[in-house]
Amino acid sequence: DAGVIQSPRHEVTEMGQEVTLRCKPISGHNSLFWYRQTMMRGLELLIYFNNNVPIDDSGMPEDRFSAKMPNASFSTLKIQPSEPRDSAVYFCASSRSGSFSYNEQFFGPGTRLTVL
Amino acid sequence: AQKVTQAQTEISVVEKEDVTLDCVYETRDTTYYLFWYKQPPSGELVFLIRRNSFDEQNEISGRYSWNFQKSTSSFNFTITASQVVDSAVYFCALKCDSKLTFGKGITLSVRP
Repeated sequence: DAGVIQSPRHEVTEMGQEVTLRCKPISGHNSLFWYRQTMMRGLELLIYFNNNVPIDDSGMPEDRFSAKMPNASFSTLKIQPSEPRDSAVYFCASSRSGSFSYNEQFFGPGTRLTVL
Repeated sequence: AQKVTQAQTEISVVEKEDVTLDCVYETRDTTYYLFWYKQPPSGELVFLIRRNSFDEQNEISGRYSWNFQKSTSSFNFTITASQVVDSAVYFCALKCDSKLTFGKGITLSVRP
């Protein structure tokens, strides 16, 4: 079975450009999470969706960041305009969740973003 | 608020040594879940184990073992007879509701 798929794996862009990161969760999983990993701040949850609906976006750093999940098999994280401080590894994860669920999250390989 | 503390930042051992990675958590919830993830040099995050707050039974899986103690809010991870392939960053995480809170991670280096 395919795991969580992320694209691109690496992205290098210039400050001010729009960046779109993509994620395909594991089939049958109904929760999707976007994380950012940096040396300074570690792993941070940016936003998560349950059944395609954004549940908590309190981790989104600012209005330049937006995320969508138009259907159960696809999500995007967009940064517009990008800034050098957005450079990080962005992970997408999915899980099969419900009330009192303890199902583990499975992570994609990550997208390494570099903003020059 | 939930918090996970991994006080050790870097550990270096020689192959075949045993090593314990510490994890202390904070939560006011009575129902919660604890996890360990491994991040090898290739960068992906690999799930290792899950424990719920009602199950304090320790677990052993091959060379890996986990010690969950609610009295001290700890969920420590021991690798027995470490190998070079164990070199990675190890994250402890706490889940309340659907949100997963990670510790800062412990970088383990196993030297031949």
